[in-house]
Amino acid sequence: ELKVEQNPLFLSMQEGKNYTIYCNYSTTSDRLYWYRQDPGKSLESLFVLLSNGAVKQEGRLMASLDTKARLSTLHITAAVHDLSATYFCAVVPSNTGNQFYFGTGTSLTVIP
Amino acid sequence: DTGVSQNPRHKITKRGQNVTFRCDPISEHNRLYWYRQTLGQGPEFLTYFQNEAQLEKSRLLSDRFSAERPKGSFSTLEIQRTEQGDSAMYLCASSLGWRRGPQETQYFGPGTRLLVL
Repeated sequence: ELKVEQNPLFLSMQEGKNYTIYCNYSTTSDRLYWYRQDPGKSLESLFVLLSNGAVKQEGRLMASLDTKARLSTLHITAAVHDLSATYFCAVVPSNTGNQFYFGTGTSLTVIP
Repeated sequence: DTGVSQNPRHKITKRGQNVTFRCDPISEHNRLYWYRQTLGQGPEFLTYFQNEAQLEKSRLLSDRFSAERPKGSFSTLEIQRTEQGDSAMYLCASSLGWRRGPQETQYFGPGTRLLVL
């Protein structure tokens, strides 16, 4: 059974601090995505990581991919309240065409 | 570009009834996806279309679920003989899927929240 696991599931952090969210997956994949979801809203695409060693940065968020370790990280730098949301990673296994498998999400709360 | 739209936004139905949801993707997007999301979980893949062809369907998807995209534009998702376990948010997403790469970025609609009583 394919698993996409995120940790932590819940994260409460103070403004200005740094933290990392981890996404582990159990299949071969060369495509990994990060999304953000605000309460009661739909998902917003953040990053698309397409190869081993890929790194993408946007503002205070930086995502990286290690396909050999089957691990992606989402690093938050100097958190601000506006980053409070649930973050999901999703993988597309190499052998299943185009099915996206999502993790359970990490609920981030940034405390002023 | 008005984004992905879904209708209705909310649906309450009684167990055993049939329901149909509609998704209108971004106009130039050739791929369309349906997902189901329950509280506290990530979206679960249901099916996807490239143009009008339904290319993949989750093995976990009950035969009570059917989806169509007749002209390669909007799509409908029908659930027959609804059960309480079908209560969830149903999300639609579209993308440009000509090749692997940034074009595969999915744009999600606001979802249809289904409650089966």
